[in-house]
Amino acid sequence: GAGVSQSPSNKVTEKGKDVELRCDPISGHTALYWYRQSLGQGLEFLIYFQGNSAPDKSGLPSDRFSAERTGGSVSTLTIQRTQQEDSAVYLCASSLRGAGSYNSPLHFGNGTRLTVT
Amino acid sequence: SQKIEQNSEALNIQEGKTATLTCNYTNYSPAYLQWYRQDPGRGPVFLLLIRENEKEKRKERLKVTFDTTLKQSLFHITASQPADSATYLCALDMQGTGANNLFFGTGTRLTVIP
Repeated sequence: GAGVSQSPSNKVTEKGKDVELRCDPISGHTALYWYRQSLGQGLEFLIYFQGNSAPDKSGLPSDRFSAERTGGSVSTLTIQRTQQEDSAVYLCASSLRGAGSYNSPLHFGNGTRLTVT
Repeated sequence: SQKIEQNSEALNIQEGKTATLTCNYTNYSPAYLQWYRQDPGRGPVFLLLIRENEKEKRKERLKVTFDTTLKQSLFHITASQPADSATYLCALDMQGTGANNLFFGTGTRLTVIP
């Protein structure tokens, strides 16, 4: 199937280490989103890429978080010097045309469960 | 900024009944309003989208209404089944370019009791 793929599905890391989370969006989708979801909580917006525009980074919680999207396709979310409060499920989603476009809903991956010990 | 409230964190109903979930928002009405279903350990899955100028949308046992005067969307599941048990999220698409304009509610966990 050609859905959104995220890797790894689970990641356990020690406090202070850096981690990289990967997202392969659906081919041809111009928009890509990263969200964070803590246990039993809603979706927390992190960052939004739309085509070649500058990304909307307004949701990143601190400068330890960064993301890039290479060639308009694969995206990597990097968390430096991880803290225990970073433990959550990190979800990636892509859509054909992005927010504000009719009938362009989000397609989510199943997330990366990050545990910082 | 937009505030989104979904009724009660959890809703329990008997199998066969109609489940009604509520999504209320403040400020400006969105261009589109979307509903997603999320199962444990999985990412949300898109169900239905309704436009600002549409009153109602149906898909099989699902029905969504959108009242911009009340600033509310209702999501109905008729003849509910235990397999409908999941968390349901509404999302408001405020439309625009460049920045993210999609805002999610915190979700309602629905349990359909056999």
